[in-house]
Amino acid sequence: GENVEQHPSTLSVQEGDSAVIKCTYSDSASNYFPWYKQELGKRPQLIIDIRSNVGEKKDQRIAVTLNKTAKHFSLHITETQPEDSAVYFCAASIRRGSNFGNEKLTFGTGTRLTIIP
Amino acid sequence: DGGITQSPKYLFRKEGQNVTLSCEQNLNHDAMYWYRQDPGQGLRLIYYSQIVNDFQKGDIAEGYSVSREKKESFPLTVTSAQKNPTAFYLCASSAGTGGEKTQYFGPGTRLLVL
Repeated sequence: GENVEQHPSTLSVQEGDSAVIKCTYSDSASNYFPWYKQELGKRPQLIIDIRSNVGEKKDQRIAVTLNKTAKHFSLHITETQPEDSAVYFCAASIRRGSNFGNEKLTFGTGTRLTIIP
Repeated sequence: DGGITQSPKYLFRKEGQNVTLSCEQNLNHDAMYWYRQDPGQGLRLIYYSQIVNDFQKGDIAEGYSVSREKKESFPLTVTSAQKNPTAFYLCASSAGTGGEKTQYFGPGTRLLVL
């Protein structure tokens, strides 16, 4: 089955600096890669996702890049703010088209991001 | 987010006891999922259901059971066979066939063993 590895497990950055979290996946058939943010004691929330037909996607201060050849994808947060402090999870799944049912997500182990004021 | 609810927020289990965690959604989603989250670990899939009256085992199904009698509901039972049940349990749902497949999570249930 799919295996997703995520690094680093903890990351501290100065407010205003950039943060990068990296994930690798094992199944070359994976084609959907979401990122979730989980604040302490709360539910994970989707912040951005990317499909394998694009190499990069951006949403304001957040971007995700995908390298299908190397089977890795990364989350980039620029101009970090204190409210970015949370645990971030990457995930991967295989989607076989809109007429197919849902496939299960395989999650990475998470990165605890701390923004230092 | 408000479309998926879990209850209770905290649940205490005595040794040898079965307990059931509730998950309800009013998003008209076909697919529902149960995950277990332990400190320092990612989310691990317990069971998932793509349609009513059907479900599949995830990666860590041993000691758990589910049912999917209604589209809106996907309860999880933690049986006495699960020897280390203390964890944060998250339910999720997604639209399913032909729709947006993003998984949306409920607020979670924290299970503690007395």
